[in-house]
Amino acid sequence: DAKTTQPPSMDCAEGRAANLPCNHSTISGNEYVYWYRQIHSQGPQYIIHGLKNNETNEMASLIITEDRKSSTLILPHATLRDTAVYYCIVRVVSNQGGKLIFGQGTELSVKP
Amino acid sequence: NAGVTQTPKFQVLKTGQSMTLQCAQDMNHEYMSWYRQDPGMGLRLIHYSVGAGITDQGEVPNGYNVSRSTTEDFPLRLLSAAPSQTSVYFCASSYWSESTDTQYFGPGTRLTVL
Repeated sequence: DAKTTQPPSMDCAEGRAANLPCNHSTISGNEYVYWYRQIHSQGPQYIIHGLKNNETNEMASLIITEDRKSSTLILPHATLRDTAVYYCIVRVVSNQGGKLIFGQGTELSVKP
Repeated sequence: NAGVTQTPKFQVLKTGQSMTLQCAQDMNHEYMSWYRQDPGMGLRLIHYSVGAGITDQGEVPNGYNVSRSTTEDFPLRLLSAAPSQTSVYFCASSYWSESTDTQYFGPGTRLTVL
């Protein structure tokens, strides 16, 4: 799985958009970009994933650059409950083991 | 659906004791896995299973055993607990399609080994 680089921490004002970047310059053509988050003391939670097209769901949007070497997770209207560690994971979708390799992630603090 | 459930939520063991952490899912997922998370660290894969009767090792398997006799259950056994196994343990399950293998995590078991 490709290595990812994320800033260790970010702040965001409540109600504003939170834009979390991720670099994955060594990504392969068949690797997806996944985002999970972990709210303090809870199990990780899936947010969104994509291959090359931008994706949107009820939680967030995922913007992947045309060369696929970086991506941005967008939480359109951050709330205090979005304070969490966000993990960007690049991996091949496999039926032989969804072995998620978690890095250090970005600690997002949403402030009033 | 209850999703992924884990028991117990908290456990304190003495060095050398054994115990089993329970994990169950009601989503008929073929894939299940166990992770541990040490304070201030990311998650590390212990063992995983791609279906009933099939298990394999992850990054940090030493000191842990698993079995998968049913699709629903994936228990993690500590045969002789050590202080280094103090951690939070998360179980996860996932389904697979050509474009996704999203994992769903349980709430975790917080284990302290004295």
